[in-house]
Amino acid sequence: DVKVTQSSRYLVKRTGEKVFLECVQDMDHENMFWYRQDPGLGLRLIYFSYDVKMKEKGDIPEGYSVSREKKERFSLILESASTNQTSMYLCASSALGQGGHEQFFGPGTRLTVL
Amino acid sequence: AQTVTQSQPEMSVQEAETVTLSCTYDTSENNYYLFWYKQPPSRQMILVIRQEAYKQQNATENRFSVNFQKAAKSFSLKISDSQLWDTAMYFCAFMRNTGNQFYFGTGTSLTVIP
Repeated sequence: DVKVTQSSRYLVKRTGEKVFLECVQDMDHENMFWYRQDPGLGLRLIYFSYDVKMKEKGDIPEGYSVSREKKERFSLILESASTNQTSMYLCASSALGQGGHEQFFGPGTRLTVL
Repeated sequence: AQTVTQSQPEMSVQEAETVTLSCTYDTSENNYYLFWYKQPPSRQMILVIRQEAYKQQNATENRFSVNFQKAAKSFSLKISDSQLWDTAMYFCAFMRNTGNQFYFGTGTSLTVIP
């Protein structure tokens, strides 16, 4: 059974804290993605990575950074959390290349910044 | 950038009835892929159905089928014999043939009424 796991389902942090969200996949996928999901806005891509140590900005990268030191792990970092980063964060992975590969999603982390 | 529009934020359907969720997209590409994803309450997002743009035949998966109108750039999802567990948020997504990034719509919240 394929799996994408995220380190926390719920997280509460204070403004200004450094926040790490971890994502691990066991499918040997090259691509990994971080989205945030907000009501009425759907899923918006923050960053994605197509290989170890490679990263590409998505549509809303401001205030975020990422790290991919190992193929199976992709971390999202909020350097200094702000209240407008309160959201649901979804990680996904997919195989590389043409062919319309589906993305597999993790359960999500609901982050609240106070 | 590609845009995906879901014009129905919320819908409801009686159990055992049929419902259609709409999705339109904007692209200049000729080859691409379209997806419908389902996100049940507090659960993981999963793939419902996938369509290759170069295939004229509409994809079907059990009670789920699509009406793909390439010229109109329309990709609607039909759910037949609706079940209570079909209650979920449904997202339409577009993927270019030459890329790995998904572009999501804003979602439609479907409630199946007993």
